[in-house]
Amino acid sequence: DAGVIQSPRHEVTEMGQEVTLRCKPISGHDYLFWYRQTMMRGLELLIYFNNNVPIDDSGMPEDRFSAKMPNASFSTLKIQPSEPRDSAVYFCASRNRGTYSYNEQFFGPGTRLTVL
Amino acid sequence: ELKVEQNPLFLSMQEGKNYTIYCNYSTTSDRLYWYRQDPGKSLESLFVLLSNGAVKQEGRLMASLDTKARLSTLHITAAVHDLSATYFCAVGTTSGTYKYIFGTGTRLKVLA
Repeated sequence: DAGVIQSPRHEVTEMGQEVTLRCKPISGHDYLFWYRQTMMRGLELLIYFNNNVPIDDSGMPEDRFSAKMPNASFSTLKIQPSEPRDSAVYFCASRNRGTYSYNEQFFGPGTRLTVL
Repeated sequence: ELKVEQNPLFLSMQEGKNYTIYCNYSTTSDRLYWYRQDPGKSLESLFVLLSNGAVKQEGRLMASLDTKARLSTLHITAAVHDLSATYFCAVGTTSGTYKYIFGTGTRLKVLA
């Protein structure tokens, strides 16, 4: 398996622009997580899905952020409009709730977002 | 609300020395994970600890879990430069939503 795939790997945009981050989880995994990592705040859980349904979005910072999972193999995290304080590395992770998987999360390579 | 604290935040040590990283969490949990992150890279799973008294070892790293004390440790034996990285613990919630709360991370630098 190719692991969790994220795109783009790097994104530089200007304040006010819309940004869309993409994630393809590991095939067969039924949980998908979006995290944000910054020096100041560390690793924060933004939202997670189970079987394509959002379960907990309490970490989404504000209405400018939205996430969707239209099917089991694709998710997006959208920021509109973007602000400089959104600059961070955004990670997607997935896991399987199967009996022998220990619910271990597997992380994608991340998207480094810079908002100017 | 589940809180996870790691200490120290930064650790600089000489090669060949031993040290321990601590991970404390505030409420009951049935699973704890350790991850490694190299600069500019993603997080790599190291250990999964599922029960009180669990101990896992891989090379120079050994992780243990004491659920009664709500404490996990990551012990480094005879450190080598290649172990330089940031180490995170993560605790799974038992509230039914199955999310993970990550600690602040410990940035380890092993000096040659």
